[in-house]
This record gives sequence, C-alpha cells and structure tokens, in this order.
Amino acid sequence: DVKVTQSSRYLVKRTGEKVFLECVQDMDHENMFWYRQDPGLGLRLIYFSYDVKMKEKGDIPEGYSVSREKKERFSLILESASTNQTSMYLCASSPRGWLNTEAFFGQGTRLTVV
Amino acid sequence: AQKITQTQPGMFVQEKEAVTLDCTYDTSDQSYGLFWYKQPSSGEMIFLIYQGSYDEQNATEGRYSLNFQKARKSANLVISASQLGDSAMYFCAMREGRAPPRGDMRFGAGTRLTV
Repeated sequence: DVKVTQSSRYLVKRTGEKVFLECVQDMDHENMFWYRQDPGLGLRLIYFSYDVKMKEKGDIPEGYSVSREKKERFSLILESASTNQTSMYLCASSPRGWLNTEAFFGQGTRLTVV
Repeated sequence: AQKITQTQPGMFVQEKEAVTLDCTYDTSDQSYGLFWYKQPSSGEMIFLIYQGSYDEQNATEGRYSLNFQKARKSANLVISASQLGDSAMYFCAMREGRAPPRGDMRFGAGTRLTV
C-alpha cells in the first residue's frame, strides 16, 4: 500500500518560531510537492522537488523554504512563522517522467500560528 | 495566473441523479494531463480520473466520466447515480507536458458537492 506520511496532523506554533513540516514517502518517487489548502483558494503549490537536493519554487514560495537531503523525505520550513501561514499543508509525491501518473497525498498537517 | 478554474463553489444533487462539476483550464502546451480528485471531510485526497490531451475518448471510471472538450479547454467531471458518500470537495488539476515533464500539478479552487 503506497504511503505518504506527514509527521504531524495538527500543530500550534507561535509567531516568529521556525517551523518544520516533515513528509516521508515509501514509493521511491522522484517528485515531491508541498501545497497549502485554504477555503476558496484550493491547493496552491509552494515548492516541489524532482530529485534529491533539487527544488523549484511553486506559485507561493514567499516565507517558506524546503529541504530534500534524501529521496524519501521532503521538509517544508517556515523560517519565521506568521499568522497568515495558518493553513492546511499537504505533501504529495509522484513518479517522474509521465504525464498520467497521479500524485499521492499525505493526510495533511493543520498548522495554526498564534 | 490561475490555470485551473472551477466556477461552482458549491453544488447540490439528489441521490441517484447525475451531476456535472465544471473545470476550465489554460495552457499553451499541446501535451498535458487533467486529473480529478475527491476530498471527503476526513481530508484525504482520492484520485478519481485522468484525461490526457491526446486521448481521443473521454475517460471513464465506474460512475465517473470526464467530458473533455479540448477546443473549449474544459474537462468537466460527471458523476452518475449520485450516492450520499459522494458528498465531498472535488478538485480539478492539470499537469503540463513540457519536456521533460516536471511533474508539478496545479489545482483549482474546488467544488463542494452535497448529495
């Protein structure tokens, strides 16, 4: 059974804290993604990675960074958390090179910044 | 710029009836893929159906079918014989086919379906 696992289901952090969201996949996928989901806005791509140590900005990278030191793990970092980063964060992975391969999603992390 | 547009924030349908969820997209690529996902209240993202830009037939998966109109850049999801378990958020997504395909997928704002 394919699996994308996010380290936390719920997180509460204080403004200004450095926050790490971790994601691990066991499918040997090259591609990994971080999205944030907000009501009325759908899923917006923050960053994605198509290989170890490779990363590309998505549509809303400001305030975020990522790290991919191992193929199975993709971390999202909020350098200094702010209240407008309160959201649901979804990690996903997919194999590289094919248009028709679905992305597999983790269960999501609901982050609240207070 | 928003590449995927879902204009229906919410839809209602009676049990056993069919419903169409709209999706339009914008791309200059000739090769691309379109996806629909379902997100029930539990939050998981469930892949439903895929349509490739070069596919000549509309995709079907059980009660789900995709009404693909390439010239109009629309890829509407049709759910037949709606069931209570179909109540969920539905997202349309697109992957563009630049070479090599990078894999990044863009999503629409979603439609909340209530049966």
